Amino acid sequence: DTEVTQTPKHLVMGMTNKKSLKCEQHMGHRAMYWYKQKAKKPPELMFVYSYEKLSINESVPSRFSPECPNSSLLNLHLHALQPEDSALYLCASSQPSTGSEQYFGPGTRLTVT
Amino acid sequence: QKEVEQDPGPLSVPEGAIVSLNCTYSNSAFQYFMWYRQYSRKGPELLMYTYSSGNKEDGRFTAQVDKSSKYISLFIRDSQPSDSATYLCAMSASSTGNQFYFGTGTSLTVIP
Repeated sequence: DTEVTQTPKHLVMGMTNKKSLKCEQHMGHRAMYWYKQKAKKPPELMFVYSYEKLSINESVPSRFSPECPNSSLLNLHLHALQPEDSALYLCASSQPSTGSEQYFGPGTRLTVT
Repeated sequence: QKEVEQDPGPLSVPEGAIVSLNCTYSNSAFQYFMWYRQYSRKGPELLMYTYSSGNKEDGRFTAQVDKSSKYISLFIRDSQPSDSATYLCAMSASSTGNQFYFGTGTSLTVIP
């Protein structure tokens, strides 16, 4: 099973709202990632968790707050977002030793109004 | 200069054609080379994963890496309309993937 699931599929939120994106994998992977993808652009790495610890934060604004409650789950908490944050948010997972071999979820399409 | 260059296309071919997708790169430290397929409004799907130079075949897909020329290719034989998608190359110097560089993607349409 190489499935990574993400919920919700679509999310519309106002600039004052607080919402969360969820990601789950059952492949036994111990590295999980958040990416942001704008239209017709490649994914941009936001955060990396390795063994449930944040190992990389690519200078992401504090209005994005990641959380890894356990080895299967990854959350992205959103607060006070801007319209330019509208994008497809992708979760991926891998084994830490083979991080180049990442498996992506279907993404959450976020619109900030 | 970008780390990874990929022709964005769009590329349009008739069904059954052989498709060639290419990326060039500048960082000679890259050793891990991946191809992802992304359908519209979906997440990327890992198609091919190769290490160092050489060829790798999986069904109708063949990945080639030429490290001396800093050039990688993905060939699709007997292309099908279901192959219509954006193809992203990606590469990394490290197996841990913390430095993971994507190309901009090539949009492919296979016409029935």
